[in-house]
Amino acid sequence: AQSVTQLDSQVPVFEEAPVELRCNYSSSVSVYLFWYVQYPNQGLQLLLKYLSGSTLVKGINGFEAEFNKSQTSFHLRKPSVHISDTAEYFCAVSDPGTYKYIFGTGTRLKVLA
Amino acid sequence: KAGVTQTPRYLIKTRGQQVTLSCSPISGHRSVSWYQQTPGQGLQFLFEYFSETQRNKGNFPGRFSGRQFSNSRSEMNVSTLELGDSALYLCASSLDNPYTTEAFFGQGTRLTVV
Repeated sequence: AQSVTQLDSQVPVFEEAPVELRCNYSSSVSVYLFWYVQYPNQGLQLLLKYLSGSTLVKGINGFEAEFNKSQTSFHLRKPSVHISDTAEYFCAVSDPGTYKYIFGTGTRLKVLA
Repeated sequence: KAGVTQTPRYLIKTRGQQVTLSCSPISGHRSVSWYQQTPGQGLQFLFEYFSETQRNKGNFPGRFSGRQFSNSRSEMNVSTLELGDSALYLCASSLDNPYTTEAFFGQGTRLTVV
């Protein structure tokens, strides 16, 4: 069975500092990997996805993630965060044949002034 | 273009009642998925529909059901509501396979069962 582990439930960081949100997955088959962001009282918005090809994926709002197959990780990074990045971030995996996501438990990013 | 529309946004129901939630996908999208989000369990997959056919169903009791209409609009129904059904219910639409084409989420329906 697939699973996703987000190692940090909360990450406080000062504005303009870099941040890394960690995500590990387990799966016995090839998977697709995603990061979504959820702002308060909103739905989820796709930040970036890895389907195949280059292991470094660039997304919206200056975020990027690197797929590491040997470590089964897909960590999200941003070199300089803004107050507006305060939100909850979800890592997700999908088995292409199942038409569903398996989500991690989320990481609350709080950017401090 | 208009996004995914979920109605109603907020709902309060009493234990034992039933509820129907609606999702209108982005025009041209034929896949609609539903997820339940709670603080304790996080985001859990309910079901996915494509062209009126359910392609997958999550591990929820039979009280949770859904359907999709010919215009791709979808509804989910929860019968005999329990306190634990209080959650944010999110709908997502995509062109075809939601995991190779982008899935767009609605703002959700927040259901409170009292």
